[in-house]
Amino acid sequence: NAGVTQTPKFQVLKTGQSMTLQCAQDMNHEYMSWYRQDPGMGLRLIHYSVGAGITDQGEVPNGYNVSRSTTEDFPLRLLSAAPSQTSVYFCASSYLQGLIYGYTFGSGTRLTVV
Amino acid sequence: SQQGEEDPQALSIQEGENATMNCSYKTSINNLQWYRQNSGRGLVHLILIRSNEREKHSGRLRVTLDTSKKSSSLLITASRAADTASYFCATDARGNQFYFGTGTSLTVIP
Repeated sequence: NAGVTQTPKFQVLKTGQSMTLQCAQDMNHEYMSWYRQDPGMGLRLIHYSVGAGITDQGEVPNGYNVSRSTTEDFPLRLLSAAPSQTSVYFCASSYLQGLIYGYTFGSGTRLTVV
Repeated sequence: SQQGEEDPQALSIQEGENATMNCSYKTSINNLQWYRQNSGRGLVHLILIRSNEREKHSGRLRVTLDTSKKSSSLLITASRAADTASYFCATDARGNQFYFGTGTSLTVIP
């Protein structure tokens, strides 16, 4: 089992560029989410999805788009990157009922916007 | 705003000592979870405690929950150098949205 796979692991973008952070899970989890982690801020929820075709905003959604066309994939899109989006991004998944049993996290994508 | 806040922000102890970290949250919850993050890695789920539970054990971990004070504590007994990591609490105050605290950075000195 690969678990939650995030790509790329590292990325440098110029201000205004766009990119997609990929997240895939092979555990048939209904629930998937994206967090960003900044020093001293902990993890902040960006977007989440409770199943294919269903997404919703978290705490800090501005500047990010998501879609969930399949159960396995939950890509995060930055349409016009800004230096404030420099962060480490984590994707996490769980069974919906298994939310009570904790998330499985990917290893993260470290993004720098210059 | 963050749902959970851990205290202390940083903790340094000798190997073999116990480590205690606390989490306070703002609204009613169904359950509270603790996670560990080693440097440069993703988070790993440690333990979950439901709102109707007061204490839970898992190996060297002991978690307590006081819903009247909206607080939880994580105790790691007989700490080891390998326990060096950041520890986060997470709450489900908003249904399907899980919110993490700012974390406690634990250093265990061999």
